[in-house]
Amino acid sequence: QKEVEQDPGPLSVPEGAIVSLNCTYSNSAFQYFMWYRQYSRKGPELLMYTYSSGNKEDGRFTAQVDKSSKYISLFIRDSQPSDSATYLCAIANAGGTSYGKLTFGQGTILTVHP
Amino acid sequence: NAGVTQTPKFQVLKTGQSMTLQCAQDMNHEYMSWYRQDPGMGLRLIHYSVGAGITDQGEVPNGYNVSRSTTEDFPLRLLSAAPSQTSVYFCASSEAGGETEAFFGQGTRLTVV
Repeated sequence: QKEVEQDPGPLSVPEGAIVSLNCTYSNSAFQYFMWYRQYSRKGPELLMYTYSSGNKEDGRFTAQVDKSSKYISLFIRDSQPSDSATYLCAIANAGGTSYGKLTFGQGTILTVHP
Repeated sequence: NAGVTQTPKFQVLKTGQSMTLQCAQDMNHEYMSWYRQDPGMGLRLIHYSVGAGITDQGEVPNGYNVSRSTTEDFPLRLLSAAPSQTSVYFCASSEAGGETEAFFGQGTRLTVV
């Protein structure tokens, strides 16, 4: 079993839709939870970052972490064609032998059509 | 602002050839890493370094070597290229470990024929 599982999609939605992207993880030692966005033929860029259970909002984006269920989500409200990209969840430990390692999900390809 | 620079952007190799993928960062980051990205597999860690002179293996290290003689540079060497190494390679750097933002290069698209 992979340490981080993400539905690869692809996901296609109309403009204005609410998008929900999800990942599950198996290692309860993970402490840091991130979402990266990757446009076609580009490197990933950090979109959202959190280290605690609960919700974190940034404009149209909300990151949600449920440590008890080992489940993280990214919600996109009022989706725009410019949101079309691959979204990767990433999880990390701090300290110990896993220090510094980011573990990524498979990535979900999202297309928002006008 | 150069950030993380990878060269080359594209490369075609024949099976058995060797080559070095270059990665340089100008942010004085201690932590650098190499990933490969394959369809449906996400980003998988090949090797990483927590500072000059210190490297360690990631999830898929076989067939690759790294060294870190300076803070700025972290080259990835393919010893004897195989078709299974056809992939997109990304270099990343961060201030500290995984709990800080990782900055990625633009990637190197490698095809081994």
